[in-house]
Amino acid sequence: ETGVTQSPTHLIKTRGQQVTLRCSSQSGHNTVSWYQQALGQGPQFIFQYYREEENGRGNFPPRFSGLQFPNYSSELNVNALELDDSALYLCASSFGQGRNEQFFGPGTRLTVL
Amino acid sequence: RKEVEQDPGPFNVPEGATVAFNCTYSNSASQSFFWYRQDCRKEPKLLMSVYSSGNEDGRFTAQLNRASQYISLLIRDSKLSDSATYLCVVNRGGSQGNLIFGKGTKLSVKP
Repeated sequence: ETGVTQSPTHLIKTRGQQVTLRCSSQSGHNTVSWYQQALGQGPQFIFQYYREEENGRGNFPPRFSGLQFPNYSSELNVNALELDDSALYLCASSFGQGRNEQFFGPGTRLTVL
Repeated sequence: RKEVEQDPGPFNVPEGATVAFNCTYSNSASQSFFWYRQDCRKEPKLLMSVYSSGNEDGRFTAQLNRASQYISLLIRDSKLSDSATYLCVVNRGGSQGNLIFGKGTKLSVKP
């Protein structure tokens, strides 16, 4: 196991609602990256947090936002949920910026009705 | 054109077979390369990093050709437990270490 945990495991919301997903990084890691994986696709990068600062963002609208806390755990917030936001949300933990290996948590499966 | 492209599969092979997956990437500035394995409805798990010199881990061999922007994974003596989706992953490097994933290639190993 990677030691990366995510909560909740499953979530059902309706269009227009807001959701917060949580991630605890592996011990010793100070970087958390978030990815969205739609069915049948590879994960898509949402953003990365390094030492509590956003350190890069993929092609996602501003209604996707995040935080990283002093203990390096992280939250992903999505406002004004749309049907297309239904996906597996993965967080990945790593040490430092750049090209280090990333280790994934089990994911949160979000369904938007 | 996708930044990372893989054979779409699926690959259906008998136990004991050797199977090869190929992947190409378009960003020549990419700095590190990986193969991840993903079981159905689970998270991706790091299988191996890929180096220019090539690397081997038991039955698995990965190769990188920077000139051709090509990555490969060879699995020898396939086991039933190798059945999964294999994701080719590229890290653009720099200060933003976000991973770019291919769509994945599904492998089914049959008895």
